[in-house]
Amino acid sequence: GAVVSQHPSWVICKSGTSVKIECRSLDFQATTMFWYRQFPKQSLMLMATSNEGSKATYEQGVEKDKFLINHASLTLSTLTVTSAHPEDSSFYICSASIYYPASNQPQHFGDGTRLSIL
Amino acid sequence: AQTVTQSQPEMSVQEAETVTLSCTYDTSESNYYLFWYKQPPSRQMILVIRQEAYKQQNATENRFSVNFQKAAKSFSLKISDSQLGDTAMYFCAYTQGGSEKLVFGKGTKLTVNP
Repeated sequence: GAVVSQHPSWVICKSGTSVKIECRSLDFQATTMFWYRQFPKQSLMLMATSNEGSKATYEQGVEKDKFLINHASLTLSTLTVTSAHPEDSSFYICSASIYYPASNQPQHFGDGTRLSIL
Repeated sequence: AQTVTQSQPEMSVQEAETVTLSCTYDTSESNYYLFWYKQPPSRQMILVIRQEAYKQQNATENRFSVNFQKAAKSFSLKISDSQLGDTAMYFCAYTQGGSEKLVFGKGTKLTVNP
């Protein structure tokens, strides 16, 4: 149980295009989903916290207009990288928390998306 | 702000031996949770073990165990009978009670040698 599916796993696109990444909880309801970014050989950096039905909370330094997050249902959150540029190339990982109670339940991670902007 | 420190960027161990990965954290909270995640070359994040701060007993999961020293704010991971499949990046992580935001350490790259 507690499977998180992330799609696509790898995407290559031209500079200036927008890219959408989906994060789905397959067998549980997730009130909260998280989006992380990971540069090569570095740790995960939280970009934003996505709550179902409300606006995402972005971490300091993350451009909300660049990284659009939508959490329309209890099983789906999307991250859209708008007008992507080479510096946006990275590994993006989502995670989801099982619906209440929180904190003592571990986050379940998707397999990540490797984004390469040419 | 809470911080998590992993002081060993890289470690190696021979197959079947035991290795300990260090982690310290800083928090003023009394209710929190600690985790060790494993990230193999496939880059999938896999939960290895977790510890609730209010529990004095150290968590154990098969070959993996922790040494949780709350007063010292230390949370080390011991891997016994190391296997080749244990080769991965290991991240120590913290989350505060009532909040689910995970704070990660920088990671330790563990290599198990045959």
